[in-house]
Amino acid sequence: GAGVSQTPSNKVTEKGKYVELRCDPISGHTALYWYRQSLGQGPEFLIYFQGTGAADDSGLPNDRFFAVRPEGSVSTLKIQRTERGDSAVYLCASSLGQIMNTEAFFGQGTRLTVV
Amino acid sequence: AQSVAQPEDQVNVAEGNPLTVKCTYSVSGNPYLFWYVQYPNRGLQFLLKYITGDNLVKGSYGFEAEFNKSQTSFHLKKPSALVSDSALYFCAVRDNGGSTLGRLYFGRGTQLTVWP
Repeated sequence: GAGVSQTPSNKVTEKGKYVELRCDPISGHTALYWYRQSLGQGPEFLIYFQGTGAADDSGLPNDRFFAVRPEGSVSTLKIQRTERGDSAVYLCASSLGQIMNTEAFFGQGTRLTVV
Repeated sequence: AQSVAQPEDQVNVAEGNPLTVKCTYSVSGNPYLFWYVQYPNRGLQFLLKYITGDNLVKGSYGFEAEFNKSQTSFHLKKPSALVSDSALYFCAVRDNGGSTLGRLYFGRGTQLTVWP
């Protein structure tokens, strides 16, 4: 597609529920990133995929968070047993491979609210 | 570890005046620096980047940034501000090695308000 697409744009869920957030990167971009942005803060890194594999998942806060990218394109961020502290905007970005001087393109984000 | 600091939470300027949004960085190795802008209810948009070469980098919407290695700074500038420039601006540095290659480290952001 023309840009990075994230769905849903908004998600309200009850504490303890499971949620999935989807990211559709720019066609041809092999690198995909998930970030989390809390109110008043800059985006914080969660996980980075190169192709189908998670090259760096050290930013995931705990084992309730998991992400997949089975075919090297669309990615899903999964959060189990959601907590109110998980409320944030979840951003997805993609870029052309591991080229260091290549900028990442961001989606509009999914605003997750845990009530 | 890589990090950036944006010392000002808010910057206010009058339309037509020059603007500067400050950013300092800390990296091991060569810095790969970026500026992004975030409008309300929209995703981060890339403005410009410094990888190597000229210290003055030109980007989108008339913005430019000056890389200063001795001061470890990468300040965003625009000669004449527009009301439509009002937004949240983020400076970021990219990790350049090891297992965290590719990760971007963002500052807290600076809210720019340009009044008519």
